[in-house]
Amino acid sequence: KAGVTQTPRYLIKTRGQQVTLSCSPISGHRSVSWYQQTPGQGLQFLFEYFSETQRNKGNFPGRFSGRQFSNSRSEMNVSTLELGDSALYLCASSLERGTGNTIYFGEGSWLTVV
Amino acid sequence: DAKTTQPPSMDCAEGRAANLPCNHSTISGNEYVYWYRQIHSQGPQYIIHGLKNNETNEMASLIITEDRKSSTLILPHATLRDTAVYYCIVRVSTNDYKLSFGAGTTVTVRA
Repeated sequence: KAGVTQTPRYLIKTRGQQVTLSCSPISGHRSVSWYQQTPGQGLQFLFEYFSETQRNKGNFPGRFSGRQFSNSRSEMNVSTLELGDSALYLCASSLERGTGNTIYFGEGSWLTVV
Repeated sequence: DAKTTQPPSMDCAEGRAANLPCNHSTISGNEYVYWYRQIHSQGPQYIIHGLKNNETNEMASLIITEDRKSSTLILPHATLRDTAVYYCIVRVSTNDYKLSFGAGTTVTVRA
């Protein structure tokens, strides 16, 4: 069974540009969430999607957005990139919502903003 | 959120058992303890989770104290590939949609 797949794995963008990251959850998983990891802030929750609806959002500016499609695949977008957006972006999925449902992570997308 | 406390780092000899402690004194009755690890530059890897009873899988064992205020993750035979940051996380029912990562324990397995 394939794990959580994220593309691209590495990318470099220029300040002011926008970027779209893609995530395919584990087959059958309906909940998809995104996290940002930086050396200074650690792993921080961005948002969670379930049944194509954003259910929760972390403390990030509106430049960070996402969506989920009917097949549970998800994308996140960051507009007007800033140097501080350089980070590892992680997608995670779980079968359903709730504390008893294990969350599995992908390998992440490394974004460098120059 | 139920907070967790872990030692910042620990060393372990290859082939020996690694015992990773975690304190979660404010845990509530229906909140799970999860363990993940993150090897450098990779996404966090799920290890094991438990509610009340001790749990074992092919990767590790989880021992939860009777009062549920602390737990220990046991890697039975540590290898060099177990070198990673290990995170103990309590999933609280009030924000069950996310994982709240702390600083974790950096485990270094030495030959």
